[in-house]
Amino acid sequence: EIVLTQSPTTMTTSPGEKVTITCRASTSVNNMHWYQQKAGASPKPWIYETSKLASGVPDRFSGSGSGTSYSLTINNMEAEDAATYYCQQWNFPWTFGGGTKLELK
Amino acid sequence: QVQLKESGPGLVQPSRTLSLTCTVSGFSLTSYGVNWVRQPPGKGLEWIAAIWSAGITDYNSTLKSRLSISRDTSRSQVLLKMSSLQTEDTAMYFCARSVSGYDHFDHWGQGVTVTVSS
Repeated sequence: EIVLTQSPTTMTTSPGEKVTITCRASTSVNNMHWYQQKAGASPKPWIYETSKLASGVPDRFSGSGSGTSYSLTINNMEAEDAATYYCQQWNFPWTFGGGTKLELK
Repeated sequence: QVQLKESGPGLVQPSRTLSLTCTVSGFSLTSYGVNWVRQPPGKGLEWIAAIWSAGITDYNSTLKSRLSISRDTSRSQVLLKMSSLQTEDTAMYFCARSVSGYDHFDHWGQGVTVTVSS
């Protein structure tokens, strides 16, 4: 199975900053999906097929990547963006990254 | 609107079989797939099983021998059975919709907590 490694595991940032989360796959994949999860809630689809924003996701979020390296970027971090973000690859069996917890200073 | 809701026993004894139900509304099980994903306390997400619109099933290979997924389209329900439960199976279990294996999980249920303990 494809192993996804996210970095960093935890990040503390301030409002207004630019944030980049990386997801590296153990072998090349064609696409990556991202989910946002806040404490006590179910994951929400956030970015799908590498760069498409899910419904309701602010356009300060973007996704990019190819092959074994993908990223989620937040331009101008806001307080509501504090959450854990997971990447997920679309080859069977579907696997998730370990998550990146984004915290506010 | 699209909704998925998980239900289950909450507490299960070790070595017993877990039965979970995902009841869906706002879409047809003959048009979309339903997946089960679990999350141990404080940990990440693990895909467990899927049943697709045509009724075809897929399983996580590490759990396959203990799993069975089925559906009742008349009741709009997807059923997951997991046998020989261990404490490591303690987790929040989510059901989530997708069109196919290439698509993301576009709607999730609220999850059901399963604790394996004697």
